Amino acid sequence: GQSLEQPSEVTAVEGAIVQINCTYQTSGFYGLSWYQQHDGGAPTFLSYNGLDGLEETGRFSSFLSRSDSYGYLLLQELQMKDSASYFCAVSGSARQLTFGSGTQLTVLP
Amino acid sequence: EAGVVQSPRYKIIEKKQPVAFWCNPISGHNTLYWYRQNLGQGPELLIRYENEEAVDDSQLPKDRFSAERLKGVDSTLKIQPAELGDSAVYLCASSLDQNGLFFGSGTQLSVL
Repeated sequence: GQSLEQPSEVTAVEGAIVQINCTYQTSGFYGLSWYQQHDGGAPTFLSYNGLDGLEETGRFSSFLSRSDSYGYLLLQELQMKDSASYFCAVSGSARQLTFGSGTQLTVLP
Repeated sequence: EAGVVQSPRYKIIEKKQPVAFWCNPISGHNTLYWYRQNLGQGPELLIRYENEEAVDDSQLPKDRFSAERLKGVDSTLKIQPAELGDSAVYLCASSLDQNGLFFGSGTQLSVL
């Protein structure tokens, strides 16, 4: 089976940097993805890491360490619109994509 | 390019009634997924299609849930009969590969 752990809530102020961690257990591993979901909206794909290291896309970066079964999403120059839920998702054996329970990010002015 | 289209957006039914959800994926996306999301939780996979074939339906409660994807394009998810615990958001997604899923707006189901 597959399981993921991420913090349930994170709070930061506008302009700051925040890191959302994700640890996972899976039988077979293909990659770790991150999704953003605003209240009442659909999950939106942010990034994918198939190999160790850092992937950068604008203000967002995602990191993966396969040996540690660990990854994180880094959000820089936080804006109010970044307030949302962030989900990590792991692709394991049988190509299943399993989502974590999500981290609710609140950005304060 | 049009995104994943789902309908209806909201559905309210009484328990034991049937309900159906419809999904039109992004053109060219062979893989289609149905997920269920409860409040405060991540999406949980119900079924995954590769073209017309259901390749992963291990999490689909087959006693009351059914799905089909005719001609490898549109898909329908049905619940019959619905139970109170089925209240959730039902999300459809499509992809070219597992590296990035594109989700529809979902159907919010309330079973009374």
